Amino acid sequence: KAGVTQTPRYLIKTRGQQVTLSCSPISGHRSVSWYQQTPGQGLQFLFEYFSETQRNKGNFPGRFSGRQFSNSRSEMNVSTLELGDSALYLCASGLDGSVNYGYTFGSGTRLTVV
Amino acid sequence: DQQVKQNSPSLSVQEGRISILNCDYTNSMFDYFLWYKKYPAEGPTFLISISSIKDKNEDGRFTVFLNKSAKHLSLHIVPSQPGDSAVYFCAASAVGYGGATNKLIFGTGTLLAVQP
Repeated sequence: KAGVTQTPRYLIKTRGQQVTLSCSPISGHRSVSWYQQTPGQGLQFLFEYFSETQRNKGNFPGRFSGRQFSNSRSEMNVSTLELGDSALYLCASGLDGSVNYGYTFGSGTRLTVV
Repeated sequence: DQQVKQNSPSLSVQEGRISILNCDYTNSMFDYFLWYKKYPAEGPTFLISISSIKDKNEDGRFTVFLNKSAKHLSLHIVPSQPGDSAVYFCAASAVGYGGATNKLIFGTGTLLAVQP
C-alpha cells in the first residue's frame, strides 16, 4: 500500500512570503501530525489533526497553521516566512492513538528561506 | 525544556562490535518509547519500541533497555554493520494520558558511524 506522500520535496521561498505544504496519509489513516527538523533541534512537534480537527499543538508561533480535509489529506501553512523557518518538514500518519503501531513518516519537504 | 535528551551527538564503532546509543528523559508521564533511524532528506524509519511496563525488548540485532527509575533508555545493536550508519533518534510519548493522540517528543539524535 502507498506510503505517506509529501509535496513538494523541495521549496525555496523569500523571507516574508508564505508557503503551503501538503501531506497525503496512508489510506485509512485519519491522524496526520507535522514535525519540524532543524540542525541541533531534532524533530519538534508542530500539531496533529484527526478527523479534520486539530487535536494537539506544539510550541510554535501562530504563523504556523494547518488543516485537514475530509479525505484526511493535510496542509501546513507558514506565513511571513523567516530565515529560521528553513527546515525539513515531516508529516506522519497513523491510526487513532497509535504512535506504537503503524505510525509512518513521509520523506519530508525541505524548505529553504532566503 | 528538552524533555528527551541524547547527549552524544555522534558515535563511531567498528563493524561487528556493539553499538550502544543512550537517551534520557525527564517527564515521568511518558509511557512509550521508540527508536527511529534516519537518513538525510528522508523521513525517520521505525526501529523498535518499548512500553514502560517492560524493561527490555528485543528484535533481531536490536535491543532496547528501559530503566524507569533512572529515566534512561538505551539501544543496543549487535553486531553493528556498515549499513547501520545513520542518525538515530529516540522518542517518547504519553500514549496513556490525555486521550488517544499521536504526538512524539524526540531527542536531538546521535549520528552512528560503523567503520568497516
